[in-house]
This record gives sequence, C-alpha cells and structure tokens, in this order.
Amino acid sequence: QLQLQESGPGLVKPSETLSLTCIVSGDSISSSDYYWAWIRQPPGKGLEWIGSIYYSGSTYYNPSLKSRVTISVDTSKNQFSLKLSSVTAADTAVYYCARHRPAAISGRFDPWGQGTLVTVSS
Amino acid sequence: QSVLTQPPSVSGAPGQRVTISCTGSSSNIGAGYDVHWYQQPPGTAPKLLIYGNNNRPSGVPDRFSGSKSGTSASLAITGLQAEDEADYYCQSYDSSLSGVVFGGGTKLTVL
Repeated sequence: QLQLQESGPGLVKPSETLSLTCIVSGDSISSSDYYWAWIRQPPGKGLEWIGSIYYSGSTYYNPSLKSRVTISVDTSKNQFSLKLSSVTAADTAVYYCARHRPAAISGRFDPWGQGTLVTVSS
Repeated sequence: QSVLTQPPSVSGAPGQRVTISCTGSSSNIGAGYDVHWYQQPPGTAPKLLIYGNNNRPSGVPDRFSGSKSGTSASLAITGLQAEDEADYYCQSYDSSLSGVVFGGGTKLTVL
C-alpha cells in the first residue's frame, strides 16, 4: 500500500528557505504513470497546489509561487523534496505531499501524506 | 478568491441529501478539464472522494456521487451520516492560470 511521509523542520525564520522531503513507500517514484506533488493549507484556510514533479525531473509550478519554489526528485531514495525561499508568515501552513495521477496536470491527488505544519516565525 | 467557487457551508439532517456546487469558467471546468472532489474531516489530511467528474475510488460509499455540466460540477451526498461532517473541496486545472486550482472548500454540518 502506497504511503507518503513528509519530514522537515517545523519552524523556519522569515526570509529563510523552507525545506521538506516526502518519503514514498509501497510504490516506485520512478513510475511513468504518476507525478508527485506538494500542496499546502494555511491554518483555517483552503488548499493551494504548490507544484508537481515527474520522475524524470520535469516540473510544474503554481505561477504565483514559481519564483520561490524548487521541487526535486531523488529516485535512488524514492523521495522528492520541496524548497521554498524567502518565506514570510504567509507561508505558515500544513504542507502535504501526494501522488498526482495520472501523469497529467489535470490529474487527481491520491493518496496524501499526513501533512506537516511549518510555522514561519523569528 | 478561489478560481472555483463553492458555498462556504451546507447542512442537512441525518438521512437527508445535500449537494455541494463547484462553479468555474471556460478556462477550467468549461474547457473540459476533469473535476475531482476531496473530503477532509477535522484534523486530518484530505482524501480523494470522486475523480474524473463522477468516479468513486474503491472504498468510497455509493452515497457519494459527482456530476459535471458546462462550467460547473456538483457533489451529492445521500443518506447523510454524522461521519460525513467534514470540509469538501473540488479541484480542476485552469488553462489561463496554467495550474491546478482548488475550490475554497465547503463545510458540511450534519444537524
């Protein structure tokens, strides 16, 4: 059964870079059938897609975050990562990783990781 | 302001039927992109409920159904149960924004 687990610091200082990793178990991240995605949810608010990556390294980013986002994949470790630079308090959110299927930008997210809360504060 | 518009809240008594709308435009739902629905009980991660407009993943009860027409989509829940109390989100793709978009979410209260 596919499982995803986010990991990374729960507290990041303003202007610094947020870094998270999603470890995938139960399936190969190198499958040609899927993308792998990051989605976030500020406390008490709705969902926002951050971006998606294919095992080859091809990426699709939310245009509103594109200048600050880097998503990368490590097929040898079956994991993918998120970096968000120059963070502010507005980036405080629960960050989720998810499988994005099929390998099309209009695909669905299933399953999701449990999420990790990242707070931006000095 | 979300690209996909959902009502902030809906409610219904146990056993009743409720619907949640998701209104888009010609650059997303109206352009033919699939609509997917998610259920998020309090304090948990979202779970896929409906995919490809009207398909249920295995394990999702047939009390949940999806439909799409023109620039809108709907989620219907029949035979409401207390466990259905959650936030519900629609999702699609927007060609003008060149990105995945979510609705603002709808809180379902079971009275």
